[in-house]
Amino acid sequence: AQSVSQHNHHVILSEAASLELGCNYSYGGTVNLFWYVQYPGQHLQLLLKYFSGDPLVKGIKGFEAEFIKSKFSFNLRKPSVQWSDTAEYFCAVRYGGSQGNLIFGKGTKLSVKP
Amino acid sequence: DSGVTQTPKHLITATGQRVTLRCSPRSGDLSVYWYQQSLDQGLQFLIQYYNGEERAKGNILERFSAQQFPDLHSELNLSSLELGDSALYFCASSANTGDQETQYFGPGTRLLVL
Repeated sequence: AQSVSQHNHHVILSEAASLELGCNYSYGGTVNLFWYVQYPGQHLQLLLKYFSGDPLVKGIKGFEAEFIKSKFSFNLRKPSVQWSDTAEYFCAVRYGGSQGNLIFGKGTKLSVKP
Repeated sequence: DSGVTQTPKHLITATGQRVTLRCSPRSGDLSVYWYQQSLDQGLQFLIQYYNGEERAKGNILERFSAQQFPDLHSELNLSSLELGDSALYFCASSANTGDQETQYFGPGTRLLVL
């Protein structure tokens, strides 16, 4: 079955620490990959996306993600987090051949201590 | 602001009742998706419409239905409501359907069933 796993439920970091959030999807083939962020009380905002080409993609607010096809992974990274990055982060996958709906991971809550 | 609007923001109703949630996609977008976000199930795809026609169905209950109108706005109808239907309902839109499309999310409607 198509599924997306986010390994960490809750991550707590201090400001300036580096961040890596894991995301794995269930099988290969053509995929479109996304990371969305949901700030407290707000809607989902697109951080970055991968469709094809360079597997290292850069997004907004200093975030980047690397697509590793052999590991079915699309981990999100940021070298130095800020208090304002406190939010919930969702990895989403569109599997090739689908009409377009996304399959989301359960989300990772990030808390950044000032 | 993603350009996707949803009304109402909040809805409180009783078990057994019926409600209608409304979504207006970004200008020019033909595809509308409905998702349900709950604490136990996470973000789950419900249904997709493309240019007025149903394109894909996810984990949508038979008590729920949707439609997309000629002006491309969409409505999600939830009937015979149960306590477990309490959730955040998001609408997303994209220009087309299929691969390499980015979905932009609305602010959501928070439904509380008492």
